[in-house]
Amino acid sequence: QQPVQSPQAVILREGEDAVINCSSSKALYSVHWYRQKHGEAPVFLMILLKGGEQKGHDKISASFNEKKQQSSLYLTASQLSYSGTYFCGTAQAYNQGGKLIFGQGTELSVKP
Amino acid sequence: DTAVSQTPKYLVTQMGNDKSIKCEQNLGHDTMYWYKQDSKKFLKIMFSYNNKELIINETVPNRFSPKSPDKAHLNLHINSLELGDSAVYFCASSQVSSGSSDTQYFGPGTRLTVL
Repeated sequence: QQPVQSPQAVILREGEDAVINCSSSKALYSVHWYRQKHGEAPVFLMILLKGGEQKGHDKISASFNEKKQQSSLYLTASQLSYSGTYFCGTAQAYNQGGKLIFGQGTELSVKP
Repeated sequence: DTAVSQTPKYLVTQMGNDKSIKCEQNLGHDTMYWYKQDSKKFLKIMFSYNNKELIINETVPNRFSPKSPDKAHLNLHINSLELGDSAVYFCASSQVSSGSSDTQYFGPGTRLTVL
């Protein structure tokens, strides 16, 4: 079942913060976050596996709620390079051969 | 020293033709995937192979046939191309067979346009 991302699109000024949510109606095994710039491949950001987990590097972090049905991606003090489409990819179980079901994407534009 | 590479990058062809896309990874990974991304950017898994064995086959028309000659290569052959096949096709790879807790690395994509 496809996860739902919100918002669909967001426009920021440099230095502003944003939150992107990824929700599922069922508990998930893992959530994978990717960023894709126009005309390029999706680039891996991070994986969350445990309920209540929080991860981050630089100014991008993510959380996975206790019920493992929602993940949020936090972008703080946004930079122009953060522009792109963000996808969450979800796995329902450990042993599904790597099958990820992706959300519809959130388009993020950072303006000077 | 590209990790996951695909050829060609662009493919323009007529309806009814047969075409192939090639993928190679030099990461030493065991599992490779094909994804299709449509014009609305919806990214959907098509197939995965683990060490040359088909693991995932997601209700894809049988005009699409993946082939893995070895674990570093996964090709996609498409017969009788249709307009609806126009999309960007991404190859990806991950280290272990489950992939559910493992990073998938994507290739640069092949933009297929069927006229």
